[in-house]
Amino acid sequence: NAGVTQTPKFQVLKTGQSMTLQCAQDMNHNSMYWYRQDPGMGLRLIYYSASEGTTDKGEVPNGYNVSRLNKREFSLRLESAAPSQTSVYFCASSPRAGGSGEQYFGPGTRLTVT
Amino acid sequence: GESVGLHLPTLSVQEGDNSIINCAYSNSASDYFIWYKQESGKGPQFIIDIRSNMDKRQGQRVTVLLNKTVKHLSLQIAATQPGDSAVYFCAEGDTGGGNKLTFGTGTQLKVEL
Repeated sequence: NAGVTQTPKFQVLKTGQSMTLQCAQDMNHNSMYWYRQDPGMGLRLIYYSASEGTTDKGEVPNGYNVSRLNKREFSLRLESAAPSQTSVYFCASSPRAGGSGEQYFGPGTRLTVT
Repeated sequence: GESVGLHLPTLSVQEGDNSIINCAYSNSASDYFIWYKQESGKGPQFIIDIRSNMDKRQGQRVTVLLNKTVKHLSLQIAATQPGDSAVYFCAEGDTGGGNKLTFGTGTQLKVEL
């Protein structure tokens, strides 16, 4: 099993451009998450999906949108990228919502906005 | 606001020694705690977790201690190895709150040969 996969691994955008970060998991997990990690900081939750068909805002949702396409896939979209969105983005999944909190992380997407 | 933080940003230990990484939390509703390890350029990797009805939990070479009275969490690594060099994050969660985790800022563990 591949676990949690993310594409692309690296991306450079100009201010105002849009892009979608893709995430997929093959563990049949119900919950999926998007985090950002800035230098010297922990992970901050952007959006999450407790189950297929639902999405909710996390700590830092402004400037982002998400789509839970199906049980496997959870995408993150930046409609108009800003330099403040330069970060490493991690997708994670978890077997169930409201239960054990263990989350499995992907390798990350390093995004630079110039 | 609620926060999870670490006392030491960098910890250097000699190979073979025991390491102790500390974490403070402030959300009294948190009932679930996790330690993650993150190597350079990789995503966080689960190490061990503990629920609030426990004080101690042991894994392979790792032990997590929870002191609810002072809202303190620690990760002990026995016989630290070079492969343990990484950033370690604690995270807290409320299992009744949608399985969301709040992460601390991390501690860099450096193992010296």
